[in-house]
Amino acid sequence: AQKVTQAQTEISVVEKEDVTLDCVYETRDTTYYLFWYKQPPSGELVFLIRRNSFDEQNEISGRYSWNFQKSTSSFNFTITASQVVDSAVYFCALSEALSGGSNYKLTFGKGTLLTVNP
Amino acid sequence: SAVISQKPSRDICQRGTSLTIQCQVDSQVTMMFWYRQQPGQSLTLIATANQGSEATYESGFVIDKFPISRPNLTFSTLTVSNMSPEDSSIYLCSVDDTGTGGYGYTFGSGTRLTVV
Repeated sequence: AQKVTQAQTEISVVEKEDVTLDCVYETRDTTYYLFWYKQPPSGELVFLIRRNSFDEQNEISGRYSWNFQKSTSSFNFTITASQVVDSAVYFCALSEALSGGSNYKLTFGKGTLLTVNP
Repeated sequence: SAVISQKPSRDICQRGTSLTIQCQVDSQVTMMFWYRQQPGQSLTLIATANQGSEATYESGFVIDKFPISRPNLTFSTLTVSNMSPEDSSIYLCSVDDTGTGGYGYTFGSGTRLTVV
C-alpha cells in the first residue's frame, strides 16, 4: 500500500528564515506522481507542484524549491526567506492507480503546520 | 485548470439530519473525488464518482452513509446521512484537471460541517 510520511508535525520559524519540509513516500508503482499542497487557515487546498516519478530534476519557483530523490524516496520542499503569509499546513501527497483502471487517487501525508512569526 | 464551485462553504447541522454538498466544475471531467478531513487530520478519500455509474467507496465508507450522485460530467453531490458529531469535518471534492490544462488535482474550497 501507498504511504506518505511527513515526520514534522509542526515547525515554527521567524520571518526570513529558510525552512525545509520533509516528505518520504512508499510505493510499489513504477509510475506515480508526487504533489505538494498548501492549506491556509481558510481551509482550501492550494496546489503547489506535481512531479512525476521519471523526472528527478529539482525545481525552483520563486521562493519555493523542491528536491526529489528517488534513491531515498523523498520529495522535500524548501521555502526560502519565509514570510508570515506562508503560515499554513502543507501536505505532501502521492498518487496511486485505482483498481481496474488508470484513474488515480491521492494518498496524503498527515501534514506539517508551518508557523512563520514576524 | 479547472475551477470548482463547492456549496455550502459551511453548515451547522443537528444530529440525525442529512446534508447534501454540491460541486460544480467549469469543464467536463471524467472522475470526481470526495475527501474528508477530520479536525486536525489529513485528507482521506471517501469515494470516486464516475459519470453514469455507481460511485466506488473506500474501505470504511459506505453508500448508505455517504450517497453520491454524478448526473453529468460537470456536477456531483455528496450527502452525509444521519449525521452524528463524529461527522464534523471538512468535506472536499476534487478533480483531475490534467486533461483540461491543469497540473494536477484541483480541489473545491471545502465544506466545513459541524454536527451538534
